[in-house]
Amino acid sequence: DTGVSQDPRHKITKRGQNVTFRCDPISEHNRLYWYRQTLGQGPEFLTYFQNEAQLEKSRLLSDRFSAERPKGSFSTLEIQRTEQGDSAMYLCASILSRDSNEQFFGPGTRLTVL
Amino acid sequence: QKEVEQNSGPLSVPEGAIASLNCTYSDRGSQSFFWYRQYSGKSPELIMFIYSNGDKEDGRFTAQLNKASQYVSLLIRDSQPSDSATYLCAVPGQGGKLIFGQGTELSVKP
Repeated sequence: DTGVSQDPRHKITKRGQNVTFRCDPISEHNRLYWYRQTLGQGPEFLTYFQNEAQLEKSRLLSDRFSAERPKGSFSTLEIQRTEQGDSAMYLCASILSRDSNEQFFGPGTRLTVL
Repeated sequence: QKEVEQNSGPLSVPEGAIASLNCTYSDRGSQSFFWYRQYSGKSPELIMFIYSNGDKEDGRFTAQLNKASQYVSLLIRDSQPSDSATYLCAVPGQGGKLIFGQGTELSVKP
């Protein structure tokens, strides 16, 4: 257990539905990253926050994806109008920004879109 | 755009042997390199990181950097069945995000 938690761990939804995932980072960590990982691939960066500010979004993040980190604590990732191609593991990682050696990953949320 | 390439494997080695995993990177200016281990169905965990100024050894794991050829290797000595996992190589990008290779699956046979 790295101290980063994600909820839910698994989500099965039908195409077209909206889903929201939550990530609780290690409390003193001010940077939070979201990644997506499909089978047989490494994680791909989606977006990251420094405290409550969203500083970068990947081109992978279509308009159907939105992320927030109110008050610089937990973060949510919402996918609207899900598509089968959204099926993946969604990983959250946090880091204390002055310590750039290790991102601590949460257990991930596995999304299956039917 | 930085890129990281790995042979997806699977790489199979007998128990007790040395497993050698390689990773090539595109950005000659990369200064640090990370190796993560990922068990099936689990999230990545960091096992080694090195800076561009030298190799690093930690227990049975050694990370080596070849700057001229732009590749990083991870050697696992005395491989154990519990080392069977996917090994991900990563370099940091802008803002500290990690750019991962596709991972190499390692299988250690008893």
